Amino acid sequence: GDSVTQMEGPVTLSEEAFLTINCTYTATGYPSLFWYVQYPGEGLQLLLKATKADDKGSNKGFEATYRKETTSFHLEKGSVQVSDSAVYFCAPLNSGNTPLVFGKGTRLSVIA
Amino acid sequence: DAGVTQSPTHLIKTRGQQVTLRCSPKSGHDTVSWYQQALGQGPQFIFQYYEEEERQRGNFPDRFSGHQFPNYSSELNVNALLLGDSALYLCASSPPGARGYTFGSGTRLTVV
Repeated sequence: GDSVTQMEGPVTLSEEAFLTINCTYTATGYPSLFWYVQYPGEGLQLLLKATKADDKGSNKGFEATYRKETTSFHLEKGSVQVSDSAVYFCAPLNSGNTPLVFGKGTRLSVIA
Repeated sequence: DAGVTQSPTHLIKTRGQQVTLRCSPKSGHDTVSWYQQALGQGPQFIFQYYEEEERQRGNFPDRFSGHQFPNYSSELNVNALLLGDSALYLCASSPPGARGYTFGSGTRLTVV
């Protein structure tokens, strides 16, 4: 079945540092790819998505590019803020009927 | 426009008891999925409901059951609660034919 591998956390960065969270996936077919963010004590919020190869999803300064040849969807942000401290989940989705498959997520802590 | 609404937000139950969690999907969404998120882990798929039927199920025992009503709202029932059932339970809904899910804020269940 589908699966996802994310870099181990926690990731601790100083404010304004550059962020990369690696994500690689295994999926049959041609999945859409998603990044979700979970702030402390909350549910998951959609951060960005991409539906086909070479698409770039972006939101709130975060970006990720769908790389089919490397089955990757790495999350990047040029300058992180304390308010970006959260857990980030990468997930592939093969069709509208299939469930999202999550890894353990990557916890990001940004210190002032 | 209200998103996905879950109730209650927090719940404490005793081992062996039964619990019912509720979810109202986002307006226009007809598919509801439930996830269990243990502390420090990613969400795990429990099951998905569509047209009042369970369409898919993850690797959870039949102590976990659900229901979807004609208005698309859903319930998750867990019988014979175990300490290991303590987790955040997330509901996610999706619109017809679309790829992607909107999550609620979750119900935090503590079994003592």
